[in-house]
Amino acid sequence: QVQLQESGPGLVRPSQTLSLTCTVSGGSVNSGGFFWSWIRQPTGKGLEWIGRIYTSGTTTYIPSLESRLSISMDTSKNQFSLRLTSVTAADTAVYYCARGNKFVSGNYNRNFLDIWGRGTVVTVSS
Amino acid sequence: AIQMTQSPSSLSASIGDRVTITCRASQGIRIDLSWYQQKPGKAPKLLIYAASTLHTGVPSKFSGNGSGTDFTLTISNLQPEDFATYYCLQDYKYPWTFGQGTKVDIK
Repeated sequence: QVQLQESGPGLVRPSQTLSLTCTVSGGSVNSGGFFWSWIRQPTGKGLEWIGRIYTSGTTTYIPSLESRLSISMDTSKNQFSLRLTSVTAADTAVYYCARGNKFVSGNYNRNFLDIWGRGTVVTVSS
Repeated sequence: AIQMTQSPSSLSASIGDRVTITCRASQGIRIDLSWYQQKPGKAPKLLIYAASTLHTGVPSKFSGNGSGTDFTLTISNLQPEDFATYYCLQDYKYPWTFGQGTKVDIK
């Protein structure tokens, strides 16, 4: 079955760039009908959806991070990635990648996140 | 951004109880809502999408209802494995937003 695995540095210095990769196994990141998202969760807090990328390359980001965030896809490696610039302590969190799926009902797409990676802890500290 | 407000923030229940969690959207979101279960140190798991459709493999003890602004997640016959934090997520409009979570623990 499809599995996702996040990877990247656990520690990033303030003002530096955070780069994370999500490797997809058991399926193709280029599969039609799916999209790929990043979600983060500060320690002891709730979940925050931060962005997604379609197989077409179209991206959507949370406005609060839009100026610092980019999500990309590498189909040759079956991966998608997150890049967050100028990080601060507020970016410290567990970062999850997830597969987005949809259910068509009444002429609308109902979207949801059906497969998640285990998450990777990122600490921003000097 | 659409605000999702869950209530209660936490609840204590006994084995075998039936509990209901509410999620309210700050504007109408049709049925564009999903529910997730998260256990400590683990990734969230999808339970329900399109407000009331049970995800594959999720036991029927979980049920979802609602449309527009008010939604519920009901868990019947609580078992030890159901004690967790539950989140709703709206996908009606970007940015997608989660509720703040409802922690269900053992009384």
